[in-house]
Amino acid sequence: AQSVSQHNHHVILSEAASLELGCNYSYGGTVNLFWYVQYPGQHLQLLLKYFSGDPLVKGIKGFEAEFIKSKFSFNLRKPSVQWSDTAEYFCAVNANSGNTPLVFGKGTRLSVIA
Amino acid sequence: GAGVSQSPSNKVTEKGKDVELRCDPISGHTALYWYRQSLGQGLEFLIYFQGNSAPDKSGLPSDRFSAERTGGSVSTLTIQRTQQEDSAVYLCASSHAGTGGTQYFGPGTRLLVL
Repeated sequence: AQSVSQHNHHVILSEAASLELGCNYSYGGTVNLFWYVQYPGQHLQLLLKYFSGDPLVKGIKGFEAEFIKSKFSFNLRKPSVQWSDTAEYFCAVNANSGNTPLVFGKGTRLSVIA
Repeated sequence: GAGVSQSPSNKVTEKGKDVELRCDPISGHTALYWYRQSLGQGLEFLIYFQGNSAPDKSGLPSDRFSAERTGGSVSTLTIQRTQQEDSAVYLCASSHAGTGGTQYFGPGTRLLVL
């Protein structure tokens, strides 16, 4: 069975600090990888996704993630966070074989302080 | 265009009552998913529909939960004889057919069982 592990439950950063959120998955086949973000009071939005090709994926709002197949990892990064990045971030995976349900990590709450 | 919509946005019910939650997917999306987001459990898959195929019910936590999708569009999730542990946010998502279709989420229905 697939599983996703997010290492940090809550991260607190000052504005302009660099961000890296860890995500590891467990699955025996080819996968699609996603990062979703949930801003306070809003619904889940797609931040970025990886299906194939270049393992370095760029998403919205300056976020990027790198797929490292040998490490089963898909860490999210941003060089300089802003107060508006305060949100909960979810890593998710599904099988790369048609439409399949997503398996989510538990989420990482990011608090950015001025 | 319009996103995924869900109704009601909030539902308070008494233990033992039945509830129905509705999801309107993005027009043209053939795949529809239900997830549940609760404290301590994160985001869990419940059920998904793909076109005219039989739904994948493997995530439903008990036989009190059921869902249907009429005409390949609107879906209703029904919880019978609600229990306090059913309190959660119920999320619906939809996607295009085909491998790697990105899932777009609705705002959710927040269910509170007293």
